[in-house]
Amino acid sequence: AQTVTQSQPEMSVQEAETVTLSCTYDTSESDYYLFWYKQPPSRQMILVIRQEAYKQQNATENRFSVNFQKAAKSFSLKISDSQLGDAAMYFCAYRDDYKLSFGAGTTVTVRA
Amino acid sequence: ETGVTQSPTHLIKTRGQQVTLRCSSQSGHNTVSWYQQALGQGPQFIFQYYREEENGRGNFPPRFSGLQFPNYSSELNVNALELDDSALYLCASSSRTSGWSSYEQYFGPGTRLTVT
Repeated sequence: AQTVTQSQPEMSVQEAETVTLSCTYDTSESDYYLFWYKQPPSRQMILVIRQEAYKQQNATENRFSVNFQKAAKSFSLKISDSQLGDAAMYFCAYRDDYKLSFGAGTTVTVRA
Repeated sequence: ETGVTQSPTHLIKTRGQQVTLRCSSQSGHNTVSWYQQALGQGPQFIFQYYREEENGRGNFPPRFSGLQFPNYSSELNVNALELDDSALYLCASSSRTSGWSSYEQYFGPGTRLTVT
């Protein structure tokens, strides 16, 4: 079974600054997908960014980027130029053929 | 494009009762997955439905069951409710062909179930 670990329960960042969320996972597969989801207080789970394991290039979506280290089984999320609207719970997720396995989440607060 | 919708938004039930939660998948998607999210935790996979059949199941007892209809909408049924069933239930839709399923799952807003 795949396990996903997020070791930071909470992170705080000043508006306009950068914050990095860590995630590690365990798998014996060579081909898989990784995701970061954002869940604001409204509860809607929103896809932030995805990474295909066979791609060496790190994914980027506007202010969000990842550092994917396949050998280390590490998948961190960097939020640049943090905005008040980035405040939410962030979940790292691993996808096998049909299901997502989520970490416990990291709560991000943004200080004005 | 219509997103994933779930009903009801909130629900309060008594221990031992039965509950049915509903999900309409995003337009063009044929696969529905259900997740349980306890307070302060990450979602846990319950099961997935594809072509009206259960396609995979997580570590949940048989009193958790589901259905998928020809229009790809889905229901989650929970019998003999227990206090620990109190959680946010999330539905996610995706598109699956004969081989690998699409890598993205799109979530609905969830149903908050409280069991007293």
